Amino acid sequence: EAGVTQFPSHSVIEKGQTVTLRCDPISGHDNLYWYRRVMGKEIKFLLHFVKESKQDESGMPNNRFLAERTGGTYSTLKVQPAELEDSGVYFCASSQDGTTGRPQFFGPGTRLTVL
Amino acid sequence: RKEVEQDPGPFNVPEGATVAFNCTYSNSASQSFFWYRQDCRKEPKLLMSVYSSGNEDGRFTAQLNRASQYISLLIRDSKLSDSATYLCVVSLVNQAGTALIFGKGTTLSVSS
Repeated sequence: EAGVTQFPSHSVIEKGQTVTLRCDPISGHDNLYWYRRVMGKEIKFLLHFVKESKQDESGMPNNRFLAERTGGTYSTLKVQPAELEDSGVYFCASSQDGTTGRPQFFGPGTRLTVL
Repeated sequence: RKEVEQDPGPFNVPEGATVAFNCTYSNSASQSFFWYRQDCRKEPKLLMSVYSSGNEDGRFTAQLNRASQYISLLIRDSKLSDSATYLCVVSLVNQAGTALIFGKGTTLSVSS
């Protein structure tokens, strides 16, 4: 069974540009999460989809970040315009259901560098 | 105060050693507890869930003390391949969902 996949693995952009990250969850997983690790800090939650609906977007840092999951399959996270502090590793995770106790399985991450 | 606190280490131990990691969490409403392992520049991978009764998986033993809001991980007979960062992770269910809350991780280095 394929795991969570993310594209691209790395992205280097200049401040002010736009970047779109993609995540394909494990097949059949309705719950999809985005997380981010900024250098020197812990991994932090960004948002949670259940199918195509945003269940919780309390972790989104500001309105420069837009996440979508049209059709309830893959998800995209767009950063527009990117700022220096957006640099970090963006992880996507999925789980079979959203109940507590269910582990989440992570993708390899997208390493974003904003210059 | 951080929501999940861990000793960052590094813990440097020889092969065969026993090593213990501790973690505390601040939200008493936390309901699920996990240890994840993260290798350098890789994604976090689930090592084990942690249950109130304590649980063991081979050389790994996890304990949870809800009264003290404390979680531990014990690794016996350390192997070179155990070298990694160990992340203490909790989750709670609220109206919004089931986000995971991570500690910064404890780095383990096992040497021959």
